[in-house]
Amino acid sequence: QLRLQESGPGLVKPSETLSLTCTVSGVSMSTSGYFWGWFRQPPGKGLEWIAHMYSTGTSYHNPSLKSRVTLLADTSNSQFSLRLTSVTAADTAVYYCARLYGDYNSGWFDPWGQGTLVTVSS
Amino acid sequence: SYVLTQPPAVSVAPGKTASIACGGNNIGIESVHWYQQKPGQAPVLVIYYDNDRPSGIPERFSGSKSGNTATLTISRVEAGDEADYYCQVWDSSSDHVVFGGGTKLTVL
Repeated sequence: QLRLQESGPGLVKPSETLSLTCTVSGVSMSTSGYFWGWFRQPPGKGLEWIAHMYSTGTSYHNPSLKSRVTLLADTSNSQFSLRLTSVTAADTAVYYCARLYGDYNSGWFDPWGQGTLVTVSS
Repeated sequence: SYVLTQPPAVSVAPGKTASIACGGNNIGIESVHWYQQKPGQAPVLVIYYDNDRPSGIPERFSGSKSGNTATLTISRVEAGDEADYYCQVWDSSSDHVVFGGGTKLTVL
């Protein structure tokens, strides 16, 4: 059964870089042919797509975040990661990772990780 | 940028039918997916490709589209259906994923 688990610091200082990792179990990232995505949800607000990527590096980004976002895949360790630079309080949110199922340009996200809260504060 | 519009809240009595709308320009040509999110939990897919149900999702959940609106319908609503519901599409004109703002379903 495919499972995803986010991990990373729960507190990041303003202007610094947020780094999160999603560990995938139950399927091989390198051979499965899936895209893998990142999302976030500020407290009390809705879902926001950040980006998703294929294991080879092909990626699609939310234009509002693209200049600050880097996605990396480490298929040997079944992990993919998110880096968000120059964070502010507005980046405080629960961050989720998920698998894209179906076509890269029409598919859905399932399953999702449990999410991890990242607070930006000094 | 593409916008999906959902009502902020919908209320329904137990046993009745809830309909949650998701409006978007030319949504008829996009594939619409729906997620359920209960407090403190991750989203869970309940409908994909407009009206298909993942395994484990009750038949009470269904999806449809008409004109510029997609609709999630929950029949015979139960207390356990109380949650936030989000629609999602891929905006083919910009190659971006878009979520609706979410609808809070309250079971009276």
